[in-house]
Amino acid sequence: GNSVTQMEGPVTLSEEAFLTINCTYTATGYPSLFWYVQYPGEGLQLLLKATKADDKGSNKGFEATYRKETTSFHLEKGSVQVSDSAVYFCALSDNAGNMLTFGGGTRLMVKP
Amino acid sequence: DAGVTQSPTHLIKTRGQQVTLRCSPKSGHDTVSWYQQALGQGPQFIFQYYEEEERQRGNFPDRFSGHQFPNYSSELNVNALLLGDSALYLCASSRGQLNTEAFFGQGTRLTVV
Repeated sequence: GNSVTQMEGPVTLSEEAFLTINCTYTATGYPSLFWYVQYPGEGLQLLLKATKADDKGSNKGFEATYRKETTSFHLEKGSVQVSDSAVYFCALSDNAGNMLTFGGGTRLMVKP
Repeated sequence: DAGVTQSPTHLIKTRGQQVTLRCSPKSGHDTVSWYQQALGQGPQFIFQYYEEEERQRGNFPDRFSGHQFPNYSSELNVNALLLGDSALYLCASSRGQLNTEAFFGQGTRLTVV
């Protein structure tokens, strides 16, 4: 079945540092890939997505590239802010688009 | 637009009891999915409803059941509650297939004691 593996946290960075959160996946066919963010006490918000190989999703300074050859979708940001502190989830959708499979989440803490 | 709304926000139940959670999708959305998120883990897909029918189901026992109403709102029912059912239950809505953007509600925190 489908699965998503992402680096365990917490990841602690100073403001303006470079961020990478690794995500790899196992899936049949050609899934769509997503990053969701969850702020304390809130539901999940879609951060970015990519629907085919070599697509780059981007939003709010975050980027991730769909790498089919390495089955990866790593999240990056050049300069993090305190307000980026949250839990980040990598996810994929099946070919029918009916369900999302999530990784375990990575907590990011950004210190001033 | 109120987005996806879930009720209640918190509740506490006793083992063996039954619970019903409710979800109203974002305006214009016709598909509702439910997820269970245990503490410190990623959400796990329970099932999805479209046109008032269960379209797909994850690896959850029959104690978990649902319903979608003609106005696209949905309920999640859990019977014979176990301590392990304690979790955040998230509802997500979308228009058509889920790999269009899914909007999540803030969730219902269920505690089973």
